[in-house]
Amino acid sequence: GAGVSQSPSNKVTEKGKDVELRCDPISGHTALYWYRQSLGQGLEFLIYFQGNSAPDKSGLPSDRFSAERTGGSVSTLTIQRTQQEDSAVYLCASSTKGRWSNEKLFFGSGTQLSVL
Amino acid sequence: KQEVTQIPAALSVPEGENLVLNCSFTDSAIYNLQWFRQDPGKGLTSLLLIQSSQREQTSGRLNASLDKSSGRSTLYIAASQPGDSATYLCAVSLYSGGYQKVTFGTGTKLQVIP
Repeated sequence: GAGVSQSPSNKVTEKGKDVELRCDPISGHTALYWYRQSLGQGLEFLIYFQGNSAPDKSGLPSDRFSAERTGGSVSTLTIQRTQQEDSAVYLCASSTKGRWSNEKLFFGSGTQLSVL
Repeated sequence: KQEVTQIPAALSVPEGENLVLNCSFTDSAIYNLQWFRQDPGKGLTSLLLIQSSQREQTSGRLNASLDKSSGRSTLYIAASQPGDSATYLCAVSLYSGGYQKVTFGTGTKLQVIP
């Protein structure tokens, strides 16, 4: 696609429910990142994908959080048994990866998650 | 661990003024540095990317400089306009384990008053 697409743009859920957030990166971008931005806070790294594998999951805050990527394209971030502290904007970014690439990050518009 | 600091946290200026936003980082072995703009309720828009081997980049009224040895970058905005009002984020990349690990500053919220 022309840009990074995230869906849904807004999600309201009840505490304890599971949610899935989707990211569709720019076509041909092999690197994909998930970040979380809580109100008034900076961006917090969650996970990095290169192709379908995730060499860095160090930012996932708990085992309730998981992510996968299929076909080297679409990625899904799943939060199980949501808690109120999970409320945040979840941002996805993609970039090319190549020896001479400047690896500029391109971001989606984010998913605003609200856990009631 | 890379730490990125942006000063000031907020800035309000009258339209037409030139201004400078500051970014400092603790690990100078960077891969690149990006400046982003974030509008309320939106994602991040890349403004400028400076490779570690470069000293500055320019795009229109924006100029970003990089001094790796001192761990600093500045974003200069000339002749500011109300449409420049947004939060500006600095992001520093380290290359480790075959990929870039990006650390963001907490941003400078800019308001340009007409």
